[in-house]
Amino acid sequence: QVTLRESGPALVKPTQTLTLTCTFSGFSLSTSGMCVSWIRQPPGKALEWLALIDWDDDKYYSTSLKTRLTLSKDTSKNQVVLTMTNMDPVDTATYYCARTFGGASDYWGQGTQVTVSS
Amino acid sequence: DIQMTQSPSTLSASVGDRVTITCRASQSISSWLAWYQQKPGKAPKLLIYKASSLESGVPSRFSGSGSGTEFTLTISSLQPDDFATYYCQQYNSYSAPTFGGGTKVEIK
Repeated sequence: QVTLRESGPALVKPTQTLTLTCTFSGFSLSTSGMCVSWIRQPPGKALEWLALIDWDDDKYYSTSLKTRLTLSKDTSKNQVVLTMTNMDPVDTATYYCARTFGGASDYWGQGTQVTVSS
Repeated sequence: DIQMTQSPSTLSASVGDRVTITCRASQSISSWLAWYQQKPGKAPKLLIYKASSLESGVPSRFSGSGSGTEFTLTISSLQPDDFATYYCQQYNSYSAPTFGGGTKVEIK
């Protein structure tokens, strides 16, 4: 079955770089049309799409955050890594990775909570 | 970026009610729209994709319609398990998918 799991630090300090890893199983990111997305949700607020990497290693980033985001994938390890630089308290959120196929995200990880505080 | 506006932001309803949530796009997105359900502390769950296609395993009381800039999610007979927050998402292009602000369905 398809599973995804996010991992990374629960607490980062302002100005630090956040590195999150999405480890997945049950599908291959080498399959044509397959993608992995990152989405976040600040406490009590709406979902915000962050970034997507596709089977062909093309990467897409949120317009407002693209200068701070970097995606990479390791197909052999079934992992996608998201880095976000210059973290700020407003970046405090639950971060999700999700399998995305045809544009909609059909399987999601449980999410990892990240707090930005000194 | 395409803006997605959901209404209402909160909806109070009773079990058995027919519920309709609207999502409007700032420009045409054809049928590239998904609906998700999210319960507190949980990840979102895909309900509808391509505006009207029901995701496998989702009860048939959920339906989606619309194209272009106006879309609706309908729950034909609200069940206790349906009290949650619902989000629309446009995916007209991979470069900038966007979510609506959410609609919380509460018990009346």
